[in-house]
Amino acid sequence: ETGVTQSPTHLIKTRGQQVTLRCSSQSGHNTVSWYQQALGQGPQFIFQYYREEENGRGNFPPRFSGLQFPNYSSELNVNALELDDSALYLCASSVRPGTAQSPLHFGNGTRLTVT
Amino acid sequence: AQSVSQHNHHVILSEAASLELGCNYSYGGTVNLFWYVQYPGQHLQLLLKYFSGDPLVKGIKGFEAEFIKSKFSFNLRKPSVQWSDTAEYFCAASHGGATNKLIFGTGTLLAVQP
Repeated sequence: ETGVTQSPTHLIKTRGQQVTLRCSSQSGHNTVSWYQQALGQGPQFIFQYYREEENGRGNFPPRFSGLQFPNYSSELNVNALELDDSALYLCASSVRPGTAQSPLHFGNGTRLTVT
Repeated sequence: AQSVSQHNHHVILSEAASLELGCNYSYGGTVNLFWYVQYPGQHLQLLLKYFSGDPLVKGIKGFEAEFIKSKFSFNLRKPSVQWSDTAEYFCAASHGGATNKLIFGTGTLLAVQP
């Protein structure tokens, strides 16, 4: 089975620019969650998508937005990039939302650097 | 506020030594607990999880964790570590619910010396 894949692996952007990160969920998974992992920190929940709609959001401003497509792949968009947005962005898919019995499967992440 | 604390940021052990990594959580109500591991250059992988029942949970690769409700703790243990256990370990908690979002601790970097 194909795992969670993210692209690109690395990205460098300038403050004020916009960025789009992509994620393909694991086969058979219909739910995608995005996490931000700053250096030296644990991952922080950004939001989750299920059936192409946002299904929960963490404490992130509206300039962080997302999409989920009919094939369950997902995008994370960040507008007006700030230096503090530099982090590893993790995508995780699961069989369904809302149950601890459906564990998250993580991708390798996209390393975003904002200069 | 919901939070997860990991007290050990860096741990260095020799092969065959015993391991215990601390994790405490601050949650009201029912909590689900997890340990994830990230080997160098790889993605986060689930080591073990606790939902209910037996508070001693067995995971992959010989790891286990004990849920102690009175101490709000979920410490990870392994009797004898190997060099291949070198990795970063994250404790996480969730309420389940509509999103089952995870709250992670800051992680513990484990280095096992051969």
